[in-house]
Amino acid sequence: EAQVTQNPRYLITVTGKKLTVTCSQNMNHEYMSWYRQDPGLGLRQIYYSMNVEVTDKGDVPEGYKVSRKEKRNFPLILESPSPNQTSLYFCASSRQGVLSGANVLTFGAGSRLTVL
Amino acid sequence: TQLLEQSPQFLSIQEGENLTVYCNSSSVFSSLQWYRQEPGEGPVLLVTVVTGGEVKKLKRLTFQFGDARKDSSLHITAAQPGDTGLYLCAGAGGGGNKLTFGTGTQLKVEL
Repeated sequence: EAQVTQNPRYLITVTGKKLTVTCSQNMNHEYMSWYRQDPGLGLRQIYYSMNVEVTDKGDVPEGYKVSRKEKRNFPLILESPSPNQTSLYFCASSRQGVLSGANVLTFGAGSRLTVL
Repeated sequence: TQLLEQSPQFLSIQEGENLTVYCNSSSVFSSLQWYRQEPGEGPVLLVTVVTGGEVKKLKRLTFQFGDARKDSSLHITAAQPGDTGLYLCAGAGGGGNKLTFGTGTQLKVEL
């Protein structure tokens, strides 16, 4: 089954304790992206990647890091989490970049992160 | 940063009613998409509109892209409980390969 898999789905952590949210897709997609979703703000893009070793900042990259060493994986790293990073996080992928009118973005099920 | 404002933010209606959701921006987008999201899941793409003035229909849902490619609307005819969910518009363009999402419209259709 074609899908985007995120782990963990739920995580409660404390301020300053480094964590990684993994994202993997099995569709050989070029484009991958991370979003955070907060009430009343919709989804905001954190980072995106057009291909292996190519990453770019989205609208809210502060406090996050990403890497794209393999085409299928795009982990999101919080080096020193803070309470304002408490949110619902989504990973998504598509065959090509979002500027293509034929782009179909497939989302993972989400990872709910709470930072105390 | 491009902004997409959706209205209304919340909408609660009875089965059989019609409704329209608006997505507005001061920025021009190369394409605009509409997604629906249900609790505990990621958004799912409903439609992509590319040309200014374009109208697309998906059963009881009608999507329109503004002539200037700055705004869009989603009209649902004879809403059903299965239409309940969070509706998100998303615009592509404006520098980089970024997709900017709207603020969302939470729709609840009751029997």
